Amino acid sequence: KNEVEQSPQNLTAQEGEFITINCSYSVGISALHWLQQHPGGGIVSLFMLSSGKKKHGRLIATINIQEKHSSLHITASHPRDSAVYICAVQPPNDMRFGAGTRLTVKP
Amino acid sequence: GAVVSQHPSRVICKSGTSVKIECRSLDFQATTMFWYRQFPKQSLMLMATSNEGSKATYEQGVEKDKFLINHASLTLSTLTVTSAHPEDSSFYICSASGTSGRRIHEQFFGPGTRLTVL
Repeated sequence: KNEVEQSPQNLTAQEGEFITINCSYSVGISALHWLQQHPGGGIVSLFMLSSGKKKHGRLIATINIQEKHSSLHITASHPRDSAVYICAVQPPNDMRFGAGTRLTVKP
Repeated sequence: GAVVSQHPSRVICKSGTSVKIECRSLDFQATTMFWYRQFPKQSLMLMATSNEGSKATYEQGVEKDKFLINHASLTLSTLTVTSAHPEDSSFYICSASGTSGRRIHEQFFGPGTRLTVL
């Protein structure tokens, strides 16, 4: 079993829909990252969380340390949100990555 | 948040040549830098960890003589792919971690460099 599990693997949505991507992990961590990777490969760091909730524009990330679970939400999704979203967890001196969730938002 | 840059963003080279990729922390001192590699449709994989002024620590299976890492200053680390071959074609990403008033162990990711070896 992978230490970082993301779901779903693939997600197709219509423009305007509310999107949720989930990440569960099994190791102790000091932080959790949500990364966005566009088709050309470029990585954008969306959030770094160690507790609670963060919001940036239409993106919201939450983490529950006790349950070892995080969610990334996208409100009012748009085709430009189409990308692979990667959850990465950070034990103190390491980084473990989920397999990614491929999101396609159709106009 | 902190900014980490990589240069170049894309590079195409001939087989047998060496390629240098730079990773810079623009607004903080990066005591530790990490280099990752991502093959198509796969997750990022850690290649090596470098602390400023020290030799890099390589993950199992990563050839240290092929992937030379230099972390000579608190704002710059370089990854040199020596005698590149087509199988080295990949996406290389760095991340940086430092203190500079921020919480220890926060990592900030660079945008990545796509290497294509012909």
